[in-house]
Amino acid sequence: QSVLTQPPSASGTPGQRVTISCSGGSSSIGSKFVFWYQHLPGTAPKLLIYRNNQRPSGVPDRFSGSKSGTSASLAISGLRSEDEGDYYCAAWDDSLSGWVFGGGTKVTVL
Amino acid sequence: EMQLVESGGGLVQPGGSLRLSCAASGFSFSSYWMNWVRQAPGKGLEWVANINQDGTEKYYVDSVKGRFTISRDNTKNSLYLQMNSLGAEDTAVYYCARDPLAPKVAAGMDLWGQGTLVTVSS
Repeated sequence: QSVLTQPPSASGTPGQRVTISCSGGSSSIGSKFVFWYQHLPGTAPKLLIYRNNQRPSGVPDRFSGSKSGTSASLAISGLRSEDEGDYYCAAWDDSLSGWVFGGGTKVTVL
Repeated sequence: EMQLVESGGGLVQPGGSLRLSCAASGFSFSSYWMNWVRQAPGKGLEWVANINQDGTEKYYVDSVKGRFTISRDNTKNSLYLQMNSLGAEDTAVYYCARDPLAPKVAAGMDLWGQGTLVTVSS
């Protein structure tokens, strides 16, 4: 069982908006930055969102992140077939002195 | 080109040991925190350990404390993970990943390797 809680799956048709939630606690999301990673089949994980809502260079603005209290969310707008894969939230946990990941959300483009 | 390349994975018997390596190139390795993250078959990502730039600060997930040791050699641009007393639960693809800042003020793991598979089985 992961310290951060994500829904196991999300789906949408091309062009739709999909939102993935990530719930944690006061020692993780509540007091630290949230990060989102994209893990597509057969590839290395990729940093998608850093420090709650910042996009690394090269990440399309279709991806956006937000955080409120002990929860965070990732939104994918204008869903595309190449977005199919697994998405993970992560945060440093002060109580555990370690990084914690969500269980991952599998995004399917219908 | 900035790159991380893991090696050292393979099949090992329960109770055995294995040493993973991660070779960095194309960037200033000694300027980064380094992490090991693993993914067991059919499971999600799990952070394993990290180490600061000069190797004086290390953190581990509870499940590997006392069994795994993370280290680095900045003269060789390499990161290591010594894994002892391996069990079936350690079977996973192991990735190395860099972060430019300390975890409490992190900038994120912005470069990952392709991973190396460790299988613990008799």
